[in-house]
Amino acid sequence: DAKTTQPPSMDCAEGRAANLPCNHSTISGNEYVYWYRQIHSQGPQYIIHGLKNNETNEMASLIITEDRKSSTLILPHATLRDTAVYYCIVRVANTGNQFYFGTGTSLTVIP
Amino acid sequence: NAGVTQTPKFQVLKTGQSMTLQCAQDMNHNSMYWYRQDPGMGLRLIYYSASEGTTDKGEVPNGYNVSRLNKREFSLRLESAAPSQTSVYFCATLILNGKGGEQFFGPGTRLTVL
Repeated sequence: DAKTTQPPSMDCAEGRAANLPCNHSTISGNEYVYWYRQIHSQGPQYIIHGLKNNETNEMASLIITEDRKSSTLILPHATLRDTAVYYCIVRVANTGNQFYFGTGTSLTVIP
Repeated sequence: NAGVTQTPKFQVLKTGQSMTLQCAQDMNHNSMYWYRQDPGMGLRLIYYSASEGTTDKGEVPNGYNVSRLNKREFSLRLESAAPSQTSVYFCATLILNGKGGEQFFGPGTRLTVL
């Protein structure tokens, strides 16, 4: 599975959009982009994933560039409860094989 | 539904002791995973089981063994605990939903080896 690169930390003002970038320049055509987050010491929580089209759900939006070498997770109106570590993962879908988590981006939402 | 459950929640061992971390799921998912997370670090995969009866090594399998007892249960064993195995251990399952798959995580087991 392709590796990902994320900034180690970011801040965002409460109520503003949080835009978290991820580079995955070696992504293959059959690999999906996943985003998870981990609040404090809890188990990671699924946010969203996509292949090449932009995706939106009740939690976030995922924007994938046309060449698929990078993506951005958007939290449209960040709240204090969104303070967490966010992980970007790429993997081949529909297999029971590995998810490789990196060190993620620590997002702090500031009041 | 309980989702993914892990026992125990906390454990303290002495160097050389053995123990088994238990994981169970009631979601009928085929794939199960064990991760460890050291302070300030991301999750690293220890072992995974793509389906009942199969297990495979992840990034950091040394010092661990696993058993996929049945579809519901996936246990992680430390035969001779070492201080380097002090960590938080997470179990996870994977559902393949035709749209790529989604992992569900348990609450974690916090292990300290003295």
